[in-house]
Amino acid sequence: EVQLVESGGGLVQPGGSLRLSCAASGFTFSDHYMDWVRQAPMKGLEWVARIRKKANSYTTEYAASVKGRFTISRDDSSNSLYLQMNSLKTEDTAVYYCVRVNDQNKYTFDHWGQGTLVSVSS
Amino acid sequence: DIQMTQSPSSLSASVGDRVIITCRASQGIGNDLGWYQQKPGKAPERLIYAASSLQSGAPSRFSGSGSGTEFTLTISSLQPEDCATYYCSQHNSYPVTFGGGTKVEIK
Repeated sequence: EVQLVESGGGLVQPGGSLRLSCAASGFTFSDHYMDWVRQAPMKGLEWVARIRKKANSYTTEYAASVKGRFTISRDDSSNSLYLQMNSLKTEDTAVYYCVRVNDQNKYTFDHWGQGTLVSVSS
Repeated sequence: DIQMTQSPSSLSASVGDRVIITCRASQGIGNDLGWYQQKPGKAPERLIYAASSLQSGAPSRFSGSGSGTEFTLTISSLQPEDCATYYCSQHNSYPVTFGGGTKVEIK
C-alpha cells in the first residue's frame, strides 16, 4: 500500500523558515517524480513544486509564488521528500500535501499524503 | 499560465440525479487533465486521469470526457457519499493549475 506521511508543519513568524518532510513507503520512490501541493484555509488547491527522478537529473520546477524562497529536494536512499521554506509570508499559510506523480498517467497525482499544516503569523 | 475555469462553483442535487461539472482550459491541453475528489477534512483523491480514464477502484458512476479546452466530469447517479468538492487540473505545462472547485451537496 502506497503511503505518504508528511511532517514538520507548525506555527512560524513571517520571515521565518520551516522544513517539511514526507516519508514514502509501499512503492519504489526513486521511480517517481514527486510534488508538493498546498491548500490555504477554505481555499482551493495550488501546486507548489516538483522534483523529477534521477533519470531526469533531479531537476525541479516551482510555482512563481514560491520560486526563490522554497526548495524541493529528495533522498532516494531514505525514501524521503523535503520542502525547505524560507522567507515565509502570511499567504503561505496552508495545508501542504506530499503528492506522487504518475508519469504513465499524464503526470497526474495518483497518491496524496494526509497533509501538514503550516501557519505563518506573528 | 493556463487558467482552468470550473462551473458551477457549487450545486445541490438529489440522490439518483445525473450531475455534470465542466472545466474549461484557457488554451488547448490535449487530454492532460485530471479530476480529483476532496471530502471535508480529507486529502484529495484522483478520480480520473487522461481526461477520461477512471482511477482503479473508483465507482463506475464517475466518468470524464473532453479534449483540448472543454472537459466534463459526470456522476451518472448521485449517491450520498459523493458529497465533496471536485477539482480539475491540467498537467500539460508548468505551472500545474487547478480549477476553483465545485462543491456538490445533496438536496
